[in-house]
Amino acid sequence: AQSVSQHNHHVILSEAASLELGCNYSYGGTVNLFWYVQYPGQHLQLLLKYFSGDPLVKGIKGFEAEFIKSKFSFNLRKPSVQWSDTAEYFCAVIDTDKLIFGTGTRLQVFP
Amino acid sequence: DSGVTQTPKHLITATGQRVTLRCSPRSGDLSVYWYQQSLDQGLQFLIQYYNGEERAKGNILERFSAQQFPDLHSELNLSSLELGDSALYFCASSVVAGIGETQYFGPGTRLLVL
Repeated sequence: AQSVSQHNHHVILSEAASLELGCNYSYGGTVNLFWYVQYPGQHLQLLLKYFSGDPLVKGIKGFEAEFIKSKFSFNLRKPSVQWSDTAEYFCAVIDTDKLIFGTGTRLQVFP
Repeated sequence: DSGVTQTPKHLITATGQRVTLRCSPRSGDLSVYWYQQSLDQGLQFLIQYYNGEERAKGNILERFSAQQFPDLHSELNLSSLELGDSALYFCASSVVAGIGETQYFGPGTRLLVL
């Protein structure tokens, strides 16, 4: 079965800093990859997704992710974070219909 | 707003009790998924229904059960509740199921077992 690793558990940044959150999945073949964001006290919202095609995927709120097949990675990036990006970020992969989530990365952005 | 609704938002109950969580999928979505989010286990898939039929099972305890009704809403039943069942329970829905589908999540039900 698939598994997802998120190596950054807690990231603290100042506003305007650049962000990169790591995500690795366990095996290849056809993969559907997702990044979801959970703002404090709220539900999971879809940031972006990769199904096929251009490996550089653009999502909402200025986020993007790059699918690198050879590295089994799908890292999330944002060139300049804002205080409002403070949230928990989850990488996920589809495995036979169900979503397998990573453990999440808590991002804190200070003004 | 994803279009997926869940009730209730919060539930406080005692050990040994039984509760029912309700989910209404987005209009047109046939597939419903239940996930549990807890501090120690993270986000875990529990069960999936597709057009009224159970399609996949994850780490769901025998004390838990679910169903999807003809109008496509789903209910998750949790019985003989234990302290460790305290968690956030999310429902998600997608148009169909499988590769190429995006799951949209509801606001969740926060369950506290005392």
